[in-house]
Amino acid sequence: SQQGEEDPQALSIQEGENATMNCSYKTSINNLQWYRQNSGRGLVHLILIRSNEREKHSGRLRVTLDTSKKSSSLLITASRAADTASYFCATDATGYSTLTFGKGTMLLVSP
Amino acid sequence: NAGVTQTPKFRVLKTGQSMTLLCAQDMNHEYMYWYRQDPGMGLRLIHYSVGEGTTAKGEVPDGYNVSRLKKQNFLLGLESAAPSQTSVYFCASSYRQNNQPQHFGDGTRLSIL
Repeated sequence: SQQGEEDPQALSIQEGENATMNCSYKTSINNLQWYRQNSGRGLVHLILIRSNEREKHSGRLRVTLDTSKKSSSLLITASRAADTASYFCATDATGYSTLTFGKGTMLLVSP
Repeated sequence: NAGVTQTPKFRVLKTGQSMTLLCAQDMNHEYMYWYRQDPGMGLRLIHYSVGEGTTAKGEVPDGYNVSRLKKQNFLLGLESAAPSQTSVYFCASSYRQNNQPQHFGDGTRLSIL
């Protein structure tokens, strides 16, 4: 069964607005990762947050992790049309050497 | 650096035919993975390998076999293709250490008629 579940399934915003995506998971984790997938391409790693971290930034990306609620959020600030893509969270569960991916959030940023 | 390269990019098969998908990485990664991506299902792990000569089953291994004879290559085989195996297949690789991201190829789009 899927470990991570993203919410919402789809998000449509205007350029310049912020986009927030959420991820919930079920078991204890070593880390949680966010990936982007442009149409017709493979996944690209965006950011990794470890279980002992609460917030992490990378450029216009901000990720938070709440292990007590088993949830994470990805915030993209000042969105651009080029941010249009699907975004996936993936959990690295304790004791496993594999990632489990959620079903993704499709983000559409209109000019 | 090419990263992760998947061959072929597209393929159409008839039911019952066999084929092998090739994944090659030039990053000296120990771990390699095969996923399938279907609409509304996200990525599901088929098989993975934690080193040369080793393989392990993932979430959806039935109907697939894999081999890792060389560290840089990971092969995914379909012995008798079925329409249910129509999907986009992604290969990924990563370092062995904890807290490492996975690097993905651009996928193989496979249709089984």
